[in-house]
Amino acid sequence: GAVVSQHPSWVICKSGTSVKIECRSLDFQATTMFWYRQFPKQSLMLMATSNEGSKATYEQGVEKDKFLINHASLTLSTLTVTSAHPEDSSFYICSAWREREKVNTGELFFGEGSRLTVL
Amino acid sequence: GDSVTQMEGPVTLSEEAFLTINCTYTATGYPSLFWYVQYPGEGLQLLLKATKADDKGSNKGFEATYRKETTSFHLEKGSVQVSDSAVYFCALVKAGGTSYGKLTFGQGTILTVHP
Repeated sequence: GAVVSQHPSWVICKSGTSVKIECRSLDFQATTMFWYRQFPKQSLMLMATSNEGSKATYEQGVEKDKFLINHASLTLSTLTVTSAHPEDSSFYICSAWREREKVNTGELFFGEGSRLTVL
Repeated sequence: GDSVTQMEGPVTLSEEAFLTINCTYTATGYPSLFWYVQYPGEGLQLLLKATKADDKGSNKGFEATYRKETTSFHLEKGSVQVSDSAVYFCALVKAGGTSYGKLTFGQGTILTVHP
């Protein structure tokens, strides 16, 4: 079964409104989560690294004021698209890093993705 | 910067056909290479990986060999099934990173297998 869950799986909103997407690790604690964006027929693009208890690290070209990331607990990271516009319509995917006992090992688990459509 | 290029899709095959999905990469050093699969309505799942040159990753009948000389990591399966229909992503992570989360993905290849 899924170990990382995203909600909502799809959302339609009006231009100018804000939308929050949640990413939860279901049976493990994740100090690090990642947010990706995927345009149709294109690759997944890393937007930011979400670190529990600290500020997110954004990739170059990603507007931090537009895409607010909060990693308030070890099992939840949220992405808020503020003042959404049609060009923000996309498929947003989160992933959570599950540490293993051996140093520098682990596995990445992905959520199902959230499709945002801004009218 | 790092990049991953996958063969253009979609790929349509009949059941039991041989599958190859090409993947080449550009990266400095010795990245780790991955194939992820996304079934309809589900999240990405790790299919297989290889962490050094000449390593062969394998899972569920799929195989891919890390070829540094050709900077490739082609995915193969000898006999596909309808249940293999999905989107396949090739990805890499920089060598030396302490976290495997910052992946660079290819554009994905849609595979459809008909009975």
